[in-house]
Amino acid sequence: DIVLTQSPATLSLSPGERATLSCRASQSVDNYLAWYQQKPGQAPRLLIYDASYRATDTPPRFSGSGSGTDFTLTISSLQLEDFAVYYCQRRSHWPPGWTFGQGTKVEIK
Amino acid sequence: QVQLQESGPGLVKPSETLSLDCFVSGASISTYYWAWIRQPPGKGLEWIGYVSFSGSTNYNPSLKSRVTVSLDTSKSQFSLKLNSATTADTAVYYCAGIRDDFAGDHWGRGTLVTVSS
Repeated sequence: DIVLTQSPATLSLSPGERATLSCRASQSVDNYLAWYQQKPGQAPRLLIYDASYRATDTPPRFSGSGSGTDFTLTISSLQLEDFAVYYCQRRSHWPPGWTFGQGTKVEIK
Repeated sequence: QVQLQESGPGLVKPSETLSLDCFVSGASISTYYWAWIRQPPGKGLEWIGYVSFSGSTNYNPSLKSRVTVSLDTSKSQFSLKLNSATTADTAVYYCAGIRDDFAGDHWGRGTLVTVSS
């Protein structure tokens, strides 16, 4: 099975700062990598698909990059509404299992 | 707009089958992967599996022996069955439709299922 490892587990930053989140796959997932944001009590929200494409309504301050095994989600200037937990997910069809990373919590410093 | 709504028992006894349905409105059944994801209290997201319009399925290898995801196009709904439930299966269960081009998705609000005697 392909394992996704996210780092760091927690990121403590101030509004206006830049956030850089990492997701590393145990083997290549090509560019079949998505990023989600989840706030307490809510369903996850898709931010990025196919590693670097913003989903509808995703603000331009969110950007994704990477391919193969190493991926990055960058938030250029944190807004108050961006403090949340972020998950990466692979969507490659083989091997089976669209697994999630364990999440990175972005908290207010 | 697209809406998904989970339904099913909120309490399941250990060793019994956990069964949930997800009713879909406002979406074309044929252009999505219909998926289940769960989240134990205070923990991260866990992928369970999906079924496509063609009937193909994709399951989490760690759950594959106990899981069935099926689609009923006549009722605009899809279902989850998880056999031999244990307390470790206690979680909020989400149903979701993921566009087959991956460019978007829609989620239900989630339903808490507790496995307890």
